[in-house]
Amino acid sequence: QQQVKQSPQSLIVQKGGIPIINCAYENTAFDYFPWYQQFPGKGPALLIAIRPDVSEKKEGRFTISFNKSAKQFSLHIMDSQPGDSATYFCAASMHNQGGKLIFGQGTELSVKP
Amino acid sequence: NAGVTQTPKFRVLKTGQSMTLLCAQDMNHEYMYWYRQDPGMGLRLIHYSVGEGTTAKGEVPDGYNVSRLKKQNFLLGLESAAPSQTSVYFCASSYPQLVGYTFGSGTRLTVV
Repeated sequence: QQQVKQSPQSLIVQKGGIPIINCAYENTAFDYFPWYQQFPGKGPALLIAIRPDVSEKKEGRFTISFNKSAKQFSLHIMDSQPGDSATYFCAASMHNQGGKLIFGQGTELSVKP
Repeated sequence: NAGVTQTPKFRVLKTGQSMTLLCAQDMNHEYMYWYRQDPGMGLRLIHYSVGEGTTAKGEVPDGYNVSRLKKQNFLLGLESAAPSQTSVYFCASSYPQLVGYTFGSGTRLTVV
């Protein structure tokens, strides 16, 4: 019940395309859903986050869509660029659990010029 | 601001050796975490701390110990290293409110 399942494992798109990464969870007590971006040799960095009282959040070219009834959320990257090539992790947390994040397995995104 | 600093950045250990990984943060964060990252498995929580002098087990705590004697430091110890502990270790810190972690740049550990 603590798992967060992420797909696909890897993704290749052309520049300007819209890659979509999906995550699913079981525990309905999760109330915070962030996405992290990680470049090779670096630590993950917070990209965007959403709480379950909204269905969509946009920050620049990055959008989270959230479907509470389906227990799914996804990351969309508009007008993707080669500089977006990185590994993306979804995660979930509960406010009364010491801030612990449960991470998905990660998606390695490659944006071709 | 340095953020979250991890030392060392790389280390090779022989099976059975011990070592301590140090994490230091200068953001006055209450919460600190140790994760390990392995291919295809995402980041898995080893131990975490919600304040100075407190620690708790995460998802994969076996073979590791931690201490948080000072608010800014969180130490991860391996008492008797095993090849299964070959991994990249990340420390992170955060405020109690769910506003996201700040990660360090990682320690790549190889146990031979």
